Amino acid sequence: ETGVTQSPTHLIKTRGQQVTLRCSSQSGHNTVSWYQQALGQGPQFIFQYYREEENGRGNFPPRFSGLQFPNYSSELNVNALELDDSALYLCASSLGGQTQWEQYFGPGTRLTVT
Amino acid sequence: GESVGLHLPTLSVQEGDNSIINCAYSNSASDYFIWYKQESGKGPQFIIDIRSNMDKRQGQRVTVLLNKTVKHLSLQIAATQPGDSAVYFCAEKITSGTYKYIFGTGTRLKVLA
Repeated sequence: ETGVTQSPTHLIKTRGQQVTLRCSSQSGHNTVSWYQQALGQGPQFIFQYYREEENGRGNFPPRFSGLQFPNYSSELNVNALELDDSALYLCASSLGGQTQWEQYFGPGTRLTVT
Repeated sequence: GESVGLHLPTLSVQEGDNSIINCAYSNSASDYFIWYKQESGKGPQFIIDIRSNMDKRQGQRVTVLLNKTVKHLSLQIAATQPGDSAVYFCAEKITSGTYKYIFGTGTRLKVLA
């Protein structure tokens, strides 16, 4: 069984640029959630995708967008990067549906905006 | 690796003792609760979960208690080991049309030899 993987591991971008982060879900999982974790804080829920549709969203502006592909991998896109977007971005996958909510996290992508 | 939980509340326990980590959650509509362990440089690791129709659930060396009356969740770790040292987060899932997950601020557990 393959765990959740994320790429890249680290990334440095300039304010105003756009970034795409990638996540491969655990084998057999059809639901992917994305989180932002600032240093010293708990993860903040960005959104969740279930079978290629967004079915949950936290308090993040529209410049945070996502995609889920037919193989259930996912992308997080952030436009017009701001300094405060510097954080660890975590992806979590789960089986989804009405009863399978247990999430498994990847190692994260560390984004630094300068 | 990165540092997790630089200024978090810290619980220090002697190796072999039991640990109790507490969490207050915010939303009466939360229907599912999870405890995660996060070590520096890693993503959160699932420990144990509990649904809102239960008040206790046990795993291997861990027990989660849920008190919906006062919106309180606790994680008990029996016979705490050095490998248990990490930051622990509680999280709640809210289902209101769509899904939303809210994490607590975290507690750092230090196991003293």
